[in-house]
Amino acid sequence: KAGVTQTPRYLIKTRGQQVTLSCSPISGHRSVSWYQQTPGQGLQFLFEYFSETQRNKGNFPGRFSGRQFSNSRSEMNVSTLELGDSALYLCVSRDGTANTGELFFGEGSRLTVL
Amino acid sequence: SQQGEEDPQALSIQEGENATMNCSYKTSINNLQWYRQNSGRGLVHLILIRSNEREKHSGRLRVTLDTSKKSSSLLITASRAADTASYFCATDTGGFKTIFGAGTRLFVKA
Repeated sequence: KAGVTQTPRYLIKTRGQQVTLSCSPISGHRSVSWYQQTPGQGLQFLFEYFSETQRNKGNFPGRFSGRQFSNSRSEMNVSTLELGDSALYLCVSRDGTANTGELFFGEGSRLTVL
Repeated sequence: SQQGEEDPQALSIQEGENATMNCSYKTSINNLQWYRQNSGRGLVHLILIRSNEREKHSGRLRVTLDTSKKSSSLLITASRAADTASYFCATDTGGFKTIFGAGTRLFVKA
């Protein structure tokens, strides 16, 4: 079974630009969550999608958005990038039918904002 | 704010020694999980303990959960250099959101 695939793995952007990150979950999993990881704030929950519907979101500004497609693949977008958006963005896949359980992480997309 | 907080923030031990990490949390939970992260990579699930369980073992790992104190501990026995990583506790409170602590950085010297 293939794991969670995130693309791109690394990217560099400048302030004011926007970025789109992609995640393909494990086959059969319908829940995709996104986390931002920084040295100062640790792992912060961004949002969770299940069957194309956002079920929960964290405390991030509206510049951070996401969506999920009918094949469960997900994208997140960050507009008007700021230096503080530099982080490792982690996608998480799980079955999602139960409100609990093991999370499967992708390797992350490391974003650097200059 | 973080639901789980790990203690210590960093731990350095010799190969063969045991490593103990603690986690405290604030609200009622459905379960508590421990994850491991090698530098700059995705997290890997280690073990899950449900709120009605008190102790769980998996290989060299032993996890305890005390819901009255809202705390958990992860014990790694006979540590190896390959155990060097960051370890995170994570809590499921419902709401389709798992909250992670700040992590403990473990360094095992060969």
